[in-house]
Amino acid sequence: DTGVSQNPRHKITKRGQNVTFRCDPISEHNRLYWYRQTLGQGPEFLTYFQNEAQLEKSRLLSDRFSAERPKGSFSTLEIQRTEQGDSAMYLCASSLAGRGSGNTIYFGEGSWLTVV
Amino acid sequence: GENVEQHPSTLSVQEGDSAVIKCTYSDSASNYFPWYKQELGKRPQLIIDIRSNVGEKKDQRIAVTLNKTAKHFSLHITETQPEDSAVYFCAARDDKIIFGKGTRLHILP
Repeated sequence: DTGVSQNPRHKITKRGQNVTFRCDPISEHNRLYWYRQTLGQGPEFLTYFQNEAQLEKSRLLSDRFSAERPKGSFSTLEIQRTEQGDSAMYLCASSLAGRGSGNTIYFGEGSWLTVV
Repeated sequence: GENVEQHPSTLSVQEGDSAVIKCTYSDSASNYFPWYKQELGKRPQLIIDIRSNVGEKKDQRIAVTLNKTAKHFSLHITETQPEDSAVYFCAARDDKIIFGKGTRLHILP
């Protein structure tokens, strides 16, 4: 296992189309996070899971966004009816949460979305 | 909700000098404070972190200090080198990690 894996790395889509990103966390990690990052900004929290349970979702997140982690391993982030403002890098991260683990989160390489 | 403020947004220092980046947070329940470095086109990578039961932590040229009473923490880089040029993000919390907006550090030759 070499780290958090995301795909596709790049996606160009037309406005109004749906897109789905996949994240495979580090294998023993029980927490999985999704962030969005635009140029010149810090990663913006979207949602996170502990195992298969979605524990929190950002209030800023439109209902066009949905994330799942059905078996507590990989996760998908779907954006429906994409808008130009959705263009960003979508970062996935994972961590091992629990006593003594420090909750260090490790990021994937990110999935770049361009909505045209 | 949790808010993390970071400053300055841009910092230029002469090679060999020290750089200091400061952050404040709003949630007094925060107990974990990592710092990430992000180079252009790459993922953020953890460079150092500190827990709330510790006031200072050092790793070679990098140190972080935490003042829980004032709810602020700082990153110190000494003897800066060209490869330190990057964007640095502070973050706070323990369950969901909230990031500052970043500091672009330029090391001048």
